[in-house]
Amino acid sequence: AQTVTQSQPEMSVQEAETVTLSCTYDTSENNYYLFWYKQPPSRQMILVIRQEAYKQQNATENRFSVNFQKAAKSFSLKISDSQLGDTAMYFCAFTNTGNQFYFGTGTSLTVIP
Amino acid sequence: GAVVSQHPSRVICKSGTSVKIECRSLDFQATTMFWYRQFPKQSLMLMATSNEGSKATYEQGVEKDKFLINHASLTLSTLTVTSAHPEDSSFYICSASGMGRGYTEAFFGQGTRLTVV
Repeated sequence: AQTVTQSQPEMSVQEAETVTLSCTYDTSENNYYLFWYKQPPSRQMILVIRQEAYKQQNATENRFSVNFQKAAKSFSLKISDSQLGDTAMYFCAFTNTGNQFYFGTGTSLTVIP
Repeated sequence: GAVVSQHPSRVICKSGTSVKIECRSLDFQATTMFWYRQFPKQSLMLMATSNEGSKATYEQGVEKDKFLINHASLTLSTLTVTSAHPEDSSFYICSASGMGRGYTEAFFGQGTRLTVV
């Protein structure tokens, strides 16, 4: 069975600083996809970044980047130059076929002005 | 990117009545749709997975007679909460699996805040 673990229930970061959110997962699959979703106070789930397991290069989207360690089954999210609008719940997610998605328990991030 | 529209965004109903929530994929065909329930400060709890034209697959502990799911077309899935009670008050989110920007992704509706009084 697939599982996704986020070990940091809450984190805070000073505005303009960098923060890293942790995520580990467990699967026996070789091909799969990993995601970070952001859920701001509006509660709309927004895709932040995506990584295909077969790609060795870490995905990057502007201020957001991941550190994907396939052997260690680790998928951390780095947010650089944190902004107040980054305050949200962040969920790590996994799928291999798109027929089922597995979510972590979430990390509540607060950006402090 | 692909858009999933969910409505209503908020609904208040009396105890014992039924409420229908709609989830539409606006610009892609969603063969698989998911319904989640989310409690404050918690993760998404999968209630059921629905595939177009077939019966939904419910997660353990979810009453299928209470939470009726219909996925009649590739663009529409509905969740009906029957005989709602205050304990059914929650935030419900739908999601559709599709090929957005050339890869598998889950697209989410805006969510529905259900309050049963």
